[in-house]
Amino acid sequence: DSGVTQTPKHLITATGQRVTLRCSPRSGDLSVYWYQQSLDQGLQFLIQYYNGEERAKGNILERFSAQQFPDLHSELNLSSLELGDSALYFCASSAGEGTSNEQFFGPGTRLTVL
Amino acid sequence: GQNIDQPTEMTATEGAIVQINCTYQTSGFNGLFWYQQHAGEAPTFLSYNVLDGLEEKGRFSSFLSRSKGYSYLLLKELQMKDSASYLCVPRKGGGNKLTFGTGTQLKVEL
Repeated sequence: DSGVTQTPKHLITATGQRVTLRCSPRSGDLSVYWYQQSLDQGLQFLIQYYNGEERAKGNILERFSAQQFPDLHSELNLSSLELGDSALYFCASSAGEGTSNEQFFGPGTRLTVL
Repeated sequence: GQNIDQPTEMTATEGAIVQINCTYQTSGFNGLFWYQQHAGEAPTFLSYNVLDGLEEKGRFSSFLSRSKGYSYLLLKELQMKDSASYLCVPRKGGGNKLTFGTGTQLKVEL
């Protein structure tokens, strides 16, 4: 158990819908990272927040947005969902701001878009 | 930019030793992670090398040569549960995002 929690574990929805994925980092960690992993693909970095502020952005679509709240939990919002958005979405946390810190991954949310 | 090269698949026998090689070309290189990922599960941290040399941690060791752009992960006394993907993840200095490839799929057989 990494100490990072993600909800829900599974999500099934239809094209065009909007969903919110939630992540709680390990106690004391200030950085949260979001990754997308499609079937048989590597992890794609989406976005990082550090202490409530956006720190780095990867290949995140405009239909996707995220935020980190004062209690440090984070939410990833996916809208106008398409079939290709079906994937595992992982959240990771680390103590510091830079990636020299080990990232601890949550169990992931499996999103299926029908 | 960043290029990572590691074998797609490897097979080894339970109890044996296996070495997973990784070569990389990373501008502003500043360290390298190894992660393990079982299918459908979250990646778990194995090691982080910044300086040249070998770092040993139980059955797993990781080696880095910065001048050669080369790293390897050594797994000893292989167990069936070691069947997983192993991800070589170079870090770009000052950057806050990591690039994960698809890694090396290791299959441990009896």
